[in-house]
Amino acid sequence: AQKITQTQPGMFVQEKEAVTLDCTYDTSDQSYGLFWYKQPSSGEMIFLIYQGSYDEQNATEGRYSLNFQKARKSANLVISASQLGDSAMYFCASTRPGFQKLVFGTGTRLLVSP
Amino acid sequence: DTAVSQTPKYLVTQMGNDKSIKCEQNLGHDTMYWYKQDSKKFLKIMFSYNNKELIINETVPNRFSPKSPDKAHLNLHINSLELGDSAVYFCASSQARLPSTDTQYFGPGTRLTVL
Repeated sequence: AQKITQTQPGMFVQEKEAVTLDCTYDTSDQSYGLFWYKQPSSGEMIFLIYQGSYDEQNATEGRYSLNFQKARKSANLVISASQLGDSAMYFCASTRPGFQKLVFGTGTRLLVSP
Repeated sequence: DTAVSQTPKYLVTQMGNDKSIKCEQNLGHDTMYWYKQDSKKFLKIMFSYNNKELIINETVPNRFSPKSPDKAHLNLHINSLELGDSAVYFCASSQARLPSTDTQYFGPGTRLTVL
């Protein structure tokens, strides 16, 4: 079974600095996908970035990048140049082909201060 | 243009009542899902439908019954509501069933409060 672990319940960062949100996963599958979602205080779930297990390059989407270390089974989210609007809950999740359900971690609450 | 929409956004009701939440997606996706987010923010899959066919049912009480009239709609009906059903319910959709790990796009959520 898949399991996602996010060990940081809360993180603080100053505006314009970079921050790394940790995510480790536990799976015996060879093929899987890793996702990060953002949930602001308004409640919606916003897709940020995706990494496939066979992708050799780390995924990037604007200020978001995924530091994928397959041997360590980690998929950390790096947010560069933090903005006040980045304050939110961030969820790491995984899925695998044929089992179309996302398994989520417990989330990390990020607070960006001016 | 809303990709995945849910109605209502808020639902407050008494224990024992029956209620429905509707979900529609205009992304042309084949697979739709219901997730439940509890008071501790933990998200868990409840159901998944592919082209109107149920493919995932995750140990959910049978008071919860999903219905998919077509592949763009997935509704959730809940009978005999209990206090523990209070949560945020998210609908989501993705493109394909197999063999992909396609991105799931979420609706805005429905906050259900059972009094």
